Amino acid sequence: EPEVTQTPSHQVTQMGQEVILRCVPISNHLYFYWYRQILGQKVEFLVSFYNNEISEKSEIFDDQFSVERPDGSNFTLKIRSTKLEDSAMYFCASSSSLQETQYFGPGTRLLVL
Amino acid sequence: AQSVTQPDIHITVSEGASLELRCNYSYGATPYLFWYVQSPGQGLQLLLKYFSGDTLVQGIKGFEAEFKRSQSSFNLRKPSVHWSDAAEYFCAVGAHLSGSEKLVFGKGTKLTVNP
Repeated sequence: EPEVTQTPSHQVTQMGQEVILRCVPISNHLYFYWYRQILGQKVEFLVSFYNNEISEKSEIFDDQFSVERPDGSNFTLKIRSTKLEDSAMYFCASSSSLQETQYFGPGTRLLVL
Repeated sequence: AQSVTQPDIHITVSEGASLELRCNYSYGATPYLFWYVQSPGQGLQLLLKYFSGDTLVQGIKGFEAEFKRSQSSFNLRKPSVHWSDAAEYFCAVGAHLSGSEKLVFGKGTKLTVNP
């Protein structure tokens, strides 16, 4: 069964450093998403991406964040200058259309020191 | 804006007992509703979803959920819990009809299963 994959599974970085989280969505999906889950809190929507542009973003997704689909398979989330409060589990998801199920990857656990 | 409430943070049941996890949502129109499960160290796995039609939906692993519009609820049930069901369960609502693509999640209910 096709699945969303994410790399790395864990990342530790120093505050102020740039990180890139990578995702490979399900191959025939057209909509891509990033969510995050701070430890002990709910899963929160960050951004959605369709047709090579951001279609919706939350107030969390400020100028420090960017997304890109650099090729036909990868979908990346970049945090330009990490803060302590960026420590969280980051989930990538994809769906085949707007009204279809979002399938989630296993997540990347980011720890900012 | 849509929101989801899962009133139970933690539930403990004995193996073989029945289970009901509560979920209440707030959304002005007919929502799209989902239950996801997260095992420790794992991602979010879809258990079941409601888009329209029959209000009782069947999912994987023997789970079912019932959409009750009058109560704004979408409770998850299982008649007999297995030890492998121990995990965290998240209810989510989508607002696709308004053009929004995001899912809004509840805070989750952690399920412990006693032998």
